Amino acid sequence: GAGVSQSPSNKVTEKGKDVELRCDPISGHTALYWYRQRLGQGLEFLIYFQGNSAPDKSGLPSDRFSAERTGESVSTLTIQRTQQEDSAVYLCASSLQGAAEAFFGQGTRLTVV
Amino acid sequence: AQSVTQPDIHITVSEGASLELRCNYSYGATPYLFWYVQSPGQGLQLLLKYFSGDTLVQGIKGFEAEFKRSQSSFNLRKPSVHWSDAAEYFCAVGRMDSNYQLIWGAGTKLIIKP
Repeated sequence: GAGVSQSPSNKVTEKGKDVELRCDPISGHTALYWYRQRLGQGLEFLIYFQGNSAPDKSGLPSDRFSAERTGESVSTLTIQRTQQEDSAVYLCASSLQGAAEAFFGQGTRLTVV
Repeated sequence: AQSVTQPDIHITVSEGASLELRCNYSYGATPYLFWYVQSPGQGLQLLLKYFSGDTLVQGIKGFEAEFKRSQSSFNLRKPSVHWSDAAEYFCAVGRMDSNYQLIWGAGTKLIIKP
């Protein structure tokens, strides 16, 4: 597509429920990133996919968080048993390589009530 | 540990006035430095980046930034702001041990007075 697409744009969920966030990167971009942006804070790195290499999951805050990507296509970020502190905007970005030219989606605003 | 500091949470300037947004970083070598803008309802967009060479970097939308090693700063400037520049601005630095991870400042929200 023309840009990075994320869905849904907004998600309200009850505490304890699982949520799945989707990212559709720019076609041909081998690198894909997930970030979390809490209100009034900078971006927190969550996970990085590069082609068929093993992903860098070092930023995932707990084992409730997981992400998948098949090849160089769509990625899903799953949060299990959501907690109120998971409320944030989740941003996805993709690039041809490295972080220098990453293009960002508009994000998914997650609210856990 | 590496860090990025944007000292101003909010800045208000009049339309047509000049702008400077501050960014300071901690790093052991010449860093890769970035400025991004996040407009309401839109994704983050890269304004400009510094890797090496000329310390004054030109970006999109009339923005520029100057890398000052002695001050560990990478301040963003624009000579004359427009109402459409109202947005949140983020400074970021590349991590020393990674070619793909960035460390982000907390952002500065720019408010434009008519």
